[in-house]
Amino acid sequence: SSELTQEPAVSVALGQTVRITCQGDSLRSYYANWYQQKPGQAPLLVIYGKNKRPSGIPDRFSGSGSGNTASLTISGAQAADEADYYCNSRDSSGDHVVFGGGTKLTVL
Amino acid sequence: QVQLLESGPRLLKPSETLSLSCSVSADSLSSSIYYWSWIRQSPGKGLEWIGYVFYGGSTSYNPSLKSRVSISADMSKNQFSLKLNSVTAADSAVYYCAREVRSGWFYFDFWDQGALVTVSS
Repeated sequence: SSELTQEPAVSVALGQTVRITCQGDSLRSYYANWYQQKPGQAPLLVIYGKNKRPSGIPDRFSGSGSGNTASLTISGAQAADEADYYCNSRDSSGDHVVFGGGTKLTVL
Repeated sequence: QVQLLESGPRLLKPSETLSLSCSVSADSLSSSIYYWSWIRQSPGKGLEWIGYVFYGGSTSYNPSLKSRVSISADMSKNQFSLKLNSVTAADSAVYYCAREVRSGWFYFDFWDQGALVTVSS
């Protein structure tokens, strides 16, 4: 399969925990990566592989997965976390790249 | 720290060919652990992978664009390029070049700032 499905929008109260999910058959074979995109900016990698965080990404960001579902969790969401979040992986064949449709996170 | 810099026309007419190049700052274009992708984002929409080129010049394309796309790499110039034929208004988007790492898993670690390409008569 070449599709990754995300919920279009999620909201969270400031300081609370939020989970964003990504579903797809390819996630049974490949880890999901997560990117944060703010308006007018390029996507920024926040989680990759088996819950790895690039240098400079706060530890309130974490990733997990089971079966065909991956999740990005933000523990203690901050106003700065308001953004679009995209998951990505290779497709089941491994030859193509796929992205989820994106989730708009609003911090209330 | 890798830097990616795009160049190419930003305004096209319908039926023309979109041509963009991405210069890579570090000498990593020939490395076997990196895949060099083009990704686009239409206004207000999500990310769409276009295709990649990797070590030795092998390529892979999004099936939905495959008939119109060509991606190549010039190791001597540390540059990879995108050509998209027969563009229409639907091809208007921000185009990104990005590096994908293969190190046990695949992920995009560096992106350029993106280039808005507009197709209009």
